Amino acid sequence: GAVVSQHPSRVICKSGTSVKIECRSLDFQATTMFWYRQFPKQSLMLMATSNEGSKATYEQGVEKDKFLINHASLTLSTLTVTSAHPEDSSFYICSARKELNYGYTFGSGTRLTVV
Amino acid sequence: RKEVEQDPGPFNVPEGATVAFNCTYSNSASQSFFWYRQDCRKEPKLLMSVYSSGNEDGRFTAQLNRASQYISLLIRDSKLSDSATYLCVVNIGTGGFKTIFGAGTRLFVKA
Repeated sequence: GAVVSQHPSRVICKSGTSVKIECRSLDFQATTMFWYRQFPKQSLMLMATSNEGSKATYEQGVEKDKFLINHASLTLSTLTVTSAHPEDSSFYICSARKELNYGYTFGSGTRLTVV
Repeated sequence: RKEVEQDPGPFNVPEGATVAFNCTYSNSASQSFFWYRQDCRKEPKLLMSVYSSGNEDGRFTAQLNRASQYISLLIRDSKLSDSATYLCVVNIGTGGFKTIFGAGTRLFVKA
């Protein structure tokens, strides 16, 4: 199988604080992981590609200083939302692919609410 | 033009009906194709890959038409539990390639 674990599943934080979200591949090694954001009734939007041992690649319009990505090992990528604001409230999902041309496995998502 | 396009729906069908979704893609370098299912407020889950020869998994049949650049998903004998959003996913290019998600088609199956 290909299992991806994401934690936490839900977080409420105050405006101005930072939140860290973890994404782990449990039974395979993932040199690349992906972070998405999904607003209500909208499609998944790729935020960034997390590369083990190197810098993440961010999609256009995504602030790299605000969404810090660290991929320190072959099984763990973290996304830190820094100085969160209410407009950052969203559903954040990570995914990884066990091998090329294999389907993506998604984490269970993190629902972030910034108050 | 979007790289991957789907009819957003919603499709409202009665139980037992057959329903089909299409998804068109614009990049001829698209290599692999998938259908995902996403339930409300949950993560997407892989429903099935789409192979060139077409493939079936129980009540679900997926087909690929490279000439016309579309993939389809057919659901037979719809169940209430099939109600979800169905996402078309396309991998473009070789190597580390790019993945594009369709915006999804919403399906409601009613008793």
